[in-house]
Amino acid sequence: KQEVTQIPAALSVPEGENLVLNCSFTDSAIYNLQWFRQDPGKGLTSLLLIQSSQREQTSGRLNASLDKSSGRSTLYIAASQPGDSATYLCAVKSHGQNFVFGPGTRLSVLP
Amino acid sequence: DAGVIQSPRHEVTEMGQEVTLRCKPISGHDYLFWYRQTMMRGLELLIYFNNNVPIDDSGMPEDRFSAKMPNASFSTLKIQPSEPRDSAVYFCASSSGQNNQPQHFGDGTRLSIL
Repeated sequence: KQEVTQIPAALSVPEGENLVLNCSFTDSAIYNLQWFRQDPGKGLTSLLLIQSSQREQTSGRLNASLDKSSGRSTLYIAASQPGDSATYLCAVKSHGQNFVFGPGTRLSVLP
Repeated sequence: DAGVIQSPRHEVTEMGQEVTLRCKPISGHDYLFWYRQTMMRGLELLIYFNNNVPIDDSGMPEDRFSAKMPNASFSTLKIQPSEPRDSAVYFCASSSGQNNQPQHFGDGTRLSIL
């Protein structure tokens, strides 16, 4: 059964800093991996979707990488802004299973 | 597009009462998912539909939970009878195709069972 973990659980950085969020999964036989952000009291907003055949995806200041063999994905946020403050979750779609979500990383970007 | 629409946004009721949560997926999406989010267990998939047909309900915690999708634009999640441990945020999500398209989430229903 797929298990997804995220490190760190919480992160606080000053505005302008580049940062990396980590996601690990136990079963490398995946279809894809998706990164979401969740604002308080809101649903999840899809940020990036990486197919199993891809190594990375980019959208604006966000870059997500995928290393299936090591069971890892990273979300890189460049030049962080206070508006980036949210909880970031990764979710893995595996063969024979639906999306399994990690517990999330709560990010605070301080002005 | 209006996105995934859920109602109500908040529900407070006494234990033993029937609770019905509603979801309208994005038009044209053929997959619909119901999730539950709690502090202790995070986000868990309860059930999902493809073309209005339930495909996997293994995440439904008990027989008190049931879900229906009578047409492509509407789904319900019902809890009867409700219990305090059912208190959580319930999310509905939809996608076009399952394996290579992102899921789009509604804003959720925050359910409190007293």
